[in-house]
Amino acid sequence: QQQVKQSPQSLIVQKGGISIINCAYENTAFDYFPWYQQFPGKGPALLIAIRPDVSEKKEGRFTISFNKSAKQFSLHIMDSQPGDSATYFCAASMDSNYQLIWGAGTKLIIKP
Amino acid sequence: GAGVSQSPSNKVTEKGKDVELRCDPISGHTALYWYRQSLGQGLEFLIYFQGNSAPDKSGLPSDRFSAERTGGSVSTLTIQRTQQEDSAVYLCASRPVSGDNQPQHFGDGTRLSIL
Repeated sequence: QQQVKQSPQSLIVQKGGISIINCAYENTAFDYFPWYQQFPGKGPALLIAIRPDVSEKKEGRFTISFNKSAKQFSLHIMDSQPGDSATYFCAASMDSNYQLIWGAGTKLIIKP
Repeated sequence: GAGVSQSPSNKVTEKGKDVELRCDPISGHTALYWYRQSLGQGLEFLIYFQGNSAPDKSGLPSDRFSAERTGGSVSTLTIQRTQQEDSAVYLCASRPVSGDNQPQHFGDGTRLSIL
């Protein structure tokens, strides 16, 4: 019940295309859902996050879509660029203790 | 500004030796986390410090692993009698406690290789 399942494991998208990464969770007590971006040799960095009281959050080319009834959330990267090539992690937590439960990661490659 | 600093950035040691990994969190961040990331894998939670509370050690994989945080700031992760399966990147993160859902800020990790 504590797991966050992330898919796909890897993804190749053409430059200018839309990259979509999906995550699913079981614990309905989760109320904070961040996405982190990690470049090789670096630590993960927060990209965008959402609370379950909204169904979508957009920041520039990055959008989180949240489906509370299905217990799923996804990251959409519009107009994908080679510089977006990185590993992306979804995560979830309960406000009370803020322990993040991490997805397994998606390695995204944007082909020029 | 200064981010989370980890040292060393790389460590190569022989099987059976002890290693110490250091994390300097962002000043004022009271929460500190250690994670392990194997090659191409996700983040495995190891231990969590929050202020003066007892640390959450539930992720430590064996009694060879221990961590301490002195003065609520710098933390050291110690691995005794290292094994080859301990080879991984060890990541440290810190965050402030005040404010809703403050993000974890990560260092760039220590890449540990056990020969």
